[in-house]
Amino acid sequence: EAQVTQNPRYLITVTGKKLTVTCSQNMNHEYMSWYRQDPGLGLRQIYYSMNVEVTDKGDVPEGYKVSRKEKRNFPLILESPSPNQTSLYFCASSSSPQGVYEQYFGPGTRLTVT
Amino acid sequence: AQSVTQLGSHVSVSEGALVLLRCNYSSSVPPYLFWYVQYPNQGLQLLLKYTSAATLVKGINGFEAEFKKSETSFHLTKPSAHMSDAAEYFCAVSGPGGGADGLTFGKGTHLIIQP
Repeated sequence: EAQVTQNPRYLITVTGKKLTVTCSQNMNHEYMSWYRQDPGLGLRQIYYSMNVEVTDKGDVPEGYKVSRKEKRNFPLILESPSPNQTSLYFCASSSSPQGVYEQYFGPGTRLTVT
Repeated sequence: AQSVTQLGSHVSVSEGALVLLRCNYSSSVPPYLFWYVQYPNQGLQLLLKYTSAATLVKGINGFEAEFKKSETSFHLTKPSAHMSDAAEYFCAVSGPGGGADGLTFGKGTHLIIQP
């Protein structure tokens, strides 16, 4: 089954404790991205990756890091989480960044930083 | 830069009534337009997309949307609402190329179905 998986689905952590949210896709997609969803703000792009070892900032990259060492994986790293990073996070992948192709979304990771 | 405006953060309709969710976009190039649906505690699922073919686009679950360039709109409709349609709906726009524009989302419309 074609899918995007994220782990963990739920995470509660404390300020400053480094964490990683994993994202993996099995569709051989080149393009992957991370979004955060906040009430009243919709989804905003954090980082994206055009291919292995190629990443770039989205609209809200502050406080986040990413890496793309393998085509299928695109982990999101919060090196020193803060309460304003409490949010619902989605990973997505697509055949191409160009809009004609559908983006497939993971199930989401709900992060709470206390 | 591209942007999306969804009119109404919450829309309430009676079961069996017409569903109309409004979306207006701005884009400097001919856009690709999408509607996604998010059911509670789930990720986003594509409902339909416009990619410069037919202006009336049919999607899943009986939804359709019409691209109107003169009005820069891409409103989502369904003739008869069902209780299972209760969800969050997002309109999104993407450029046709020239870099990883990705998707720019509207803020979402929560659809409430009254029995």
